[in-house]
Amino acid sequence: EAGVAQSPRYKIIEKRQSVAFWCNPISGHATLYWYQQILGQGPKLLIQFQNNGVVDDSQLPKDRFSAERLKGVDSTLKIQPAKLEDSAVYLCASSLASGGGTQYFGPGTRLLVL
Amino acid sequence: AQRVTQPEKLLSVFKGAPVELKCNYSYSGSPELFWYVQYSRQRLQLLLRHISRESIKGFTADLNKGETSFHLKKPFAQEEDSAMYYCALHTGTASKLTFGTGTRLQVTL
Repeated sequence: EAGVAQSPRYKIIEKRQSVAFWCNPISGHATLYWYQQILGQGPKLLIQFQNNGVVDDSQLPKDRFSAERLKGVDSTLKIQPAKLEDSAVYLCASSLASGGGTQYFGPGTRLLVL
Repeated sequence: AQRVTQPEKLLSVFKGAPVELKCNYSYSGSPELFWYVQYSRQRLQLLLRHISRESIKGFTADLNKGETSFHLKKPFAQEEDSAMYYCALHTGTASKLTFGTGTRLQVTL
């Protein structure tokens, strides 16, 4: 089966610019996650969707980050405006609705904010 | 609040030597623990989960609720085990994963 797809793989922007990331989960996976992984740290959950509804966005900096999963399949994560501290790898993962802690990760998007 | 601690950033062992990657957690409820691994130039993937009580690629991990630990062990390290290992705590009905900071395992000849 095809894995989780993400694009772009790399992005370099200047601070205060906007950026968007795209994720396509594994077919049939109802749950989609966006993580932020800063260098030297583990992945930190930003937002979790169940189909097209938000389950958990408690760690999403809502003043600058937004995410949507309108049709319950693919998802976009946006940062507007970006700050230097947003430099990180953004990981998308998906799981079955009853998948417990078994999540399937995409390759990630490496963002550098200058 | 839940927390996962991996005290070692880097663990370097010789091929054939035993490996133990440490993981401690903090959670007031009933924990489910996982180990995820990321090999060079590959994506993060599940290695094993404690409820399965299985051995994957020779690795095992036992949940010790008394010591709140879930250490990953392998009796004889192989070069292909070199990777980044993350311990993760699964909590709640929302299937949230809390990751540790990771330990890089380096197996040398």
